[in-house]
Amino acid sequence: QVQLQESGPGLVKPSETLSLNCTVSGGSITSYYWSWIRQPPGKGLEWIGNIYYSGSTNYNPSLESRVTILVDTSKSQFSLKLSSVTAADTAVYFCARHERRHGSTSSLDSWGQGNLVTVSS
Amino acid sequence: AIRITQSPSSLSASTGDRVTITCRASQGISSYLAWYQQKPGKAPKLLIYAASTLQSGVPSRFSGSGSGTDFTLTISCLQSEDFATYYCQQYYNSPFTFGPGTTVDIK
Repeated sequence: QVQLQESGPGLVKPSETLSLNCTVSGGSITSYYWSWIRQPPGKGLEWIGNIYYSGSTNYNPSLESRVTILVDTSKSQFSLKLSSVTAADTAVYFCARHERRHGSTSSLDSWGQGNLVTVSS
Repeated sequence: AIRITQSPSSLSASTGDRVTITCRASQGISSYLAWYQQKPGKAPKLLIYAASTLQSGVPSRFSGSGSGTDFTLTISCLQSEDFATYYCQQYYNSPFTFGPGTTVDIK
């Protein structure tokens, strides 16, 4: 059973860059797409983007100018960087796996527990 | 981007009730739709994918139907552990968008 675990700072200052890692265990990072999703406190879910184990990416146009998602297969990790953050970026950030091998257009069957990131000075 | 709406936004129900939640996409998405359950402080959990396929381990009281633009999640006999927020998500086109959620609480 694959498990995902987010890690990173819980507090980021405005205008700085938010950085999170997601470590995959209990399964292979290869052959799958991996996504980042966020949820502001008390609100709904927003898909940020995804990455294939080969490194190809898809980003939400609403965030594309500020987002970078990378993968490190040797560490079974993928990462999220969001630049120039504001209070509006305060949210729980989740990482997740797409359920179909090689399929970006598939549902998200395994999720990390989430990492709350607060943007505040 | 494809817009997803859900109705109702919230509902109150009792254990044993049959509950139906509707999801509508702003354009046709074939069967590229998933349903998730989320409890407070927890990650969403996949219930149904491809509009009607039950994820492994999910109780059979959950069912999904629909294709194109209109979809339904049904809980046939509500249990205490089913009180939660439910989200639908389209994965037909990037960006993959979620509905605003439906909260099911105790009447």
